[in-house]
Parts: sequence; C-alpha cells; structure tokens
Amino acid sequence: EAQVTQNPRYLITVTGKKLTVTCSQNMNHEYMSWYRQDPGLGLRQIYYSMNVEVTDKGDVPEGYKVSRKEKRNFPLILESPSPNQTSLYFCASSFRPGPRSYYEQYFGPGTRLTVT
Amino acid sequence: AQKVTQAQTEISVVEKEDVTLDCVYETRDTTYYLFWYKQPPSGELVFLIRRNSFDEQNEISGRYSWNFQKSTSSFNFTITASQVVDSAVYFCALSEHAAGNKLTFGGGTRVLVKP
Repeated sequence: EAQVTQNPRYLITVTGKKLTVTCSQNMNHEYMSWYRQDPGLGLRQIYYSMNVEVTDKGDVPEGYKVSRKEKRNFPLILESPSPNQTSLYFCASSFRPGPRSYYEQYFGPGTRLTVT
Repeated sequence: AQKVTQAQTEISVVEKEDVTLDCVYETRDTTYYLFWYKQPPSGELVFLIRRNSFDEQNEISGRYSWNFQKSTSSFNFTITASQVVDSAVYFCALSEHAAGNKLTFGGGTRVLVKP
C-alpha cells in the first residue's frame, strides 16, 4: 500500500530537549515536504526536498532542520524545541505525473507535538 | 506571492442544509492548481478535488460541487444536503506551477453539522 508514515504520532516534550520526527514514504517519490498546521493559519511549509541531499527552506523554517540522506526518509529535527513549536505536523511526498503537470501530494497522518 | 483566503472560520448548519465554503486566491502565475482538502476530527488530510487554472468547468460529485471562477479568483465548494459526517475542517489550497511542489493553504473553515 502506497503510504507516508510519521513517527511518533503524538509527542509531549519540554523546552530545549532535542527531538526528531521521522517521515518515510514507499512510493519512490523525489519530492518531500514538511508542513505545520496552526489554528487559523492552515498549513505552512517548513522545508522541502527535491531529491537526496537537496533541501530548501519553506515559509517557516526557523527552529527546524531537515536531512535527506535516503530517498524514502525525510526527518524533521527540532534542536531546541520551544512552546511556539507546539503544532500539528504533516509530512508529504509528491511526484509530478507529467512535465507540465501539478504535483500529486500524499500526506502522512500527522504528528501532534506539544512543547511545555 | 501566492495567497489563499478562507474568510469563513466556522459554519454551523443543521443536517440536510446546504453549506457553501468560500475560497479566494491570489497568484501571478498563469498556470496554477487549486485543491480542496477535508480534515475530519481524526486529523488526517483527505484530498477532495483538484482544478487546473485552464479548466474552469465546474464539477459535481455526489453531494459535493465546486464553482471555479477565474474572473473573481474564487474556488468555492458546496455540500448539498449536509450530513453529520461532513463535520470537519475544510482547506482550500493553491499550487503555482512555478513554485514546484509547494502548496499554499487557506486558514481553513470548520463546518459543524448538527443532527
């Protein structure tokens, strides 16, 4: 089954304690992204990756790091989490069906993070 | 820069009423794609529909219908004869062809359907 998995699904942590949220896809997609969802703001892109070892900032990258060492994995790293990073996080992988086409997006189930 | 505005933050209806969700977008790209997603209380994102900028044909799918109007930069979504299971947050999103795989989302509209 084609899917994007995220772990953990729920996490409560304390300020300053480094954490990693993993994301994995089994569809061999080149493109992967991280979004955060906050009330009234919808989802905003944090980082994205166009391929292995190729990553770039999205709209809200401050306080986050990513890496793409393998095509299937795209972990999100919070080196020193703060309460304002309490949010619902979604990983997505995507591919373009044709050269002038949209991107077909597949979203993971979400990770609810609380930083106290 | 691309932007999506969903002016309605919350809509409450009684079952069987129709509900229309508004979505207004801004883009400078001539080729773009518009989407609607549903987020039920369980939290996952469910894809509902995609429309290309060059295809203004409106669509009906069961109780769902979509009205895309480039002249007003709007992509509205209507649920006909709403049901309790339609209670969810609905997101409108925009993807510019030039912006790659990035989706820009509106703030979402929470729909509450009461029995």
